[in-house]
Amino acid sequence: EAQVTQNPRYLITVTGKKLTVTCSQNMNHEYMSWYRQDPGLGLRQIYYSMNVEVTDKGDVPEGYKVSRKEKRNFPLILESPSPNQTSLYFCASSLRTGIYEQYFGPGTRLTVT
Amino acid sequence: AQKITQTQPGMFVQEKEAVTLDCTYDTSDPSYGLFWYKQPSSGEMIFLIYQGSYDQQNATEGRYSLNFQKARKSANLVISASQLGDSAMYFCAMRLTGGGNKLTFGTGTQLKVEL
Repeated sequence: EAQVTQNPRYLITVTGKKLTVTCSQNMNHEYMSWYRQDPGLGLRQIYYSMNVEVTDKGDVPEGYKVSRKEKRNFPLILESPSPNQTSLYFCASSLRTGIYEQYFGPGTRLTVT
Repeated sequence: AQKITQTQPGMFVQEKEAVTLDCTYDTSDPSYGLFWYKQPSSGEMIFLIYQGSYDQQNATEGRYSLNFQKARKSANLVISASQLGDSAMYFCAMRLTGGGNKLTFGTGTQLKVEL
């Protein structure tokens, strides 16, 4: 089944404790992206990757890191999480850069206390 | 900068009726794509339908159709024969080739289907 998977689905952590949210897709997609969803602000792009080893900042990259060592994986790293990073996070992928639909993972609900 | 506007925070519709969810957009780029996503209470984002800026015909996918009026910059979603399972948040989004190729989302419309 073609899908985007994220782990963990739910995470409660404390300020400053490094964490990684994994994202994997099995559709051989070139383009991958991370979004966060916050009430009243909608979904905003954090980072994106147009292909392996090619990543760039989105609209809200502060406090996050990403890497794209393999085509299928695009982990999101929070080196020192803070409470303002409490949010619902989505990984998404599309066939390639361009006007293609993006397929979303199931979401990761993160709470930083 | 691109912008998506959804002016209906919430809507009610009776089961088996049709409903239209409004979406207007703003961009000066001639090449863009318009998308609708459904987000049920469980939280996942489900792709529903896509319309390209150069497409001559309105997109349809099963009970979903997109009423694309380019001159008015609107891309309304029409759901025919509503079902209880259609109750969810619906987002309109736009994607350009530049600007990180990201999806720009509207604020969403909460649809409730009633018996």
